[in-house]
Amino acid sequence: KQEVTQIPAALSVPEGENLVLNCSFTDSAIYNLQWFRQDPGKGLTSLLLIQSSQREQTSGRLNASLDKSSGRSTLYIAASQPGDSATYLCAVRRGGADGLTFGKGTHLIIQP
Amino acid sequence: NAGVTQTPKFQVLKTGQSMTLQCAQDMNHEYMSWYRQDPGMGLRLIHYSVGAGITDQGEVPNGYNVSRSTTEDFPLRLLSAAPSQTSVYFCASSPNLWVSNQPQHFGDGTRLSIL
Repeated sequence: KQEVTQIPAALSVPEGENLVLNCSFTDSAIYNLQWFRQDPGKGLTSLLLIQSSQREQTSGRLNASLDKSSGRSTLYIAASQPGDSATYLCAVRRGGADGLTFGKGTHLIIQP
Repeated sequence: NAGVTQTPKFQVLKTGQSMTLQCAQDMNHEYMSWYRQDPGMGLRLIHYSVGAGITDQGEVPNGYNVSRSTTEDFPLRLLSAAPSQTSVYFCASSPNLWVSNQPQHFGDGTRLSIL
């Protein structure tokens, strides 16, 4: 059974810092990996998706990497802003007809 | 462009009552799924569907039924609500099953309390 772990569970940093969120998964046979953002009381917003054949994806200040063989992904946030405060979720998908297996998330607070 | 629409947004039920959580998508997506989100547990898959007329169980299916009579709609039914089903429920959809660069899109959730 696939298990997804996110470290750290919570993180508080001053505005302007670059930071890295970590995600690990136990089964390397994945279809894709998706990073989401969730604001309090809200739904999930997709940030980046990395296919199993890719090493990284970038969108603005966000960069996600994937090392499938070691079962790891990182989300890099450059020049953090208070508006980046949210919970960040990592999820992996085994196949096209399968659902997502989620980590429990990293609760991020960016201090002004 | 509505995306994934869930109704209602909030609901309070008494133990033993039944209800249906609605999910509709207007993107002609093949794949739809339901998750529940509980504190300390993360999101867990309840049921999913790979197309109209086809459904299957996820990780936590007990106490829930689903059907998929159209591509657009994927309702989740609670047959006899129990306090353990108090949770936030999310519906998600994604387009082509066999293209791995297609992200899953989520609705805003239904917050359900069972008394």
